[in-house]
Amino acid sequence: DGGITQSPKYLFRKEGQNVTLSCEQNLNHDAMYWYRQDPGQGLRLIYYSQIVNDFQKGDIAEGYSVSREKKESFPLTVTSAQKNPTAFYLCASTPIQGAGDSPLHFGNGTRLTVT
Amino acid sequence: GENVEQHPSTLSVQEGDSAVIKCTYSDSASNYFPWYKQELGKRPQLIIDIRSNVGEKKDQRIAVTLNKTAKHFSLHITETQPEDSAVYFCAASKPTGNQFYFGTGTSLTVIP
Repeated sequence: DGGITQSPKYLFRKEGQNVTLSCEQNLNHDAMYWYRQDPGQGLRLIYYSQIVNDFQKGDIAEGYSVSREKKESFPLTVTSAQKNPTAFYLCASTPIQGAGDSPLHFGNGTRLTVT
Repeated sequence: GENVEQHPSTLSVQEGDSAVIKCTYSDSASNYFPWYKQELGKRPQLIIDIRSNVGEKKDQRIAVTLNKTAKHFSLHITETQPEDSAVYFCAASKPTGNQFYFGTGTSLTVIP
C-alpha cells in the first residue's frame, strides 16, 4: 500500500526473543525510517538511513538494530534488550536525501505484542 | 535537536463547526511542516504541508498557517464532517539530515 510494505501486520513473541520486522519499498526512495508509536506519545524515531550501508540512531535506538544492505529494504530487529517492546511500529521513506522538505510516506505498520 | 509541541491533545466539535490544532517548534532552522491524519489502526497520511517561505496554504476545507517569528503553525479544518474524526500529527524538519520531529498528536472527534 503506497509503495511501502511492512510485514507482518501483527506479531506475537515471547519475552527474551529477538524479532525482525520487515520493511520494503518500491518507490526508489533514498531515506528510510523506523518509528515507534505508543498511545499519547506520538511518533518516536528509532533509526533512520539516508543511503545504503549507512544508518543513524534516532531518539530511542536502545534495544533495536537495523541494516540497510539494499536500497529497497530496511529491516528492524527488536532485541531482548528492549525493555518495553510492545508497540505499533511504522516504517517510512522519503524520496530525496538531505532535502528535508519532502513528506514521509508510511507503511501500514506492524503491531508487536511481547508477552 | 528540535522540540515540537502540539495542542490540544483531544478536541471535540459539532459537525459543521471548525477545528483548530496548534503546534510550536523550537529550532528556527526548521523549514518544512507537514500535517498527517491517522485513522485508528492505520498509517499516517499526509493531508497538507507548508514550507517556510509561505505563510498560509489552503486545500479545500483544510488550511495551514505558519508564523516563523513566533515559531508556530496551525491546522484549520472548516465545515467538519464525521469522517474527519482521527488523530492529527504535526511535524517539523530541517533542510539537512532528513529528520522529522513529531508532535504528540490531537485526537479529533466530530459529533454528528
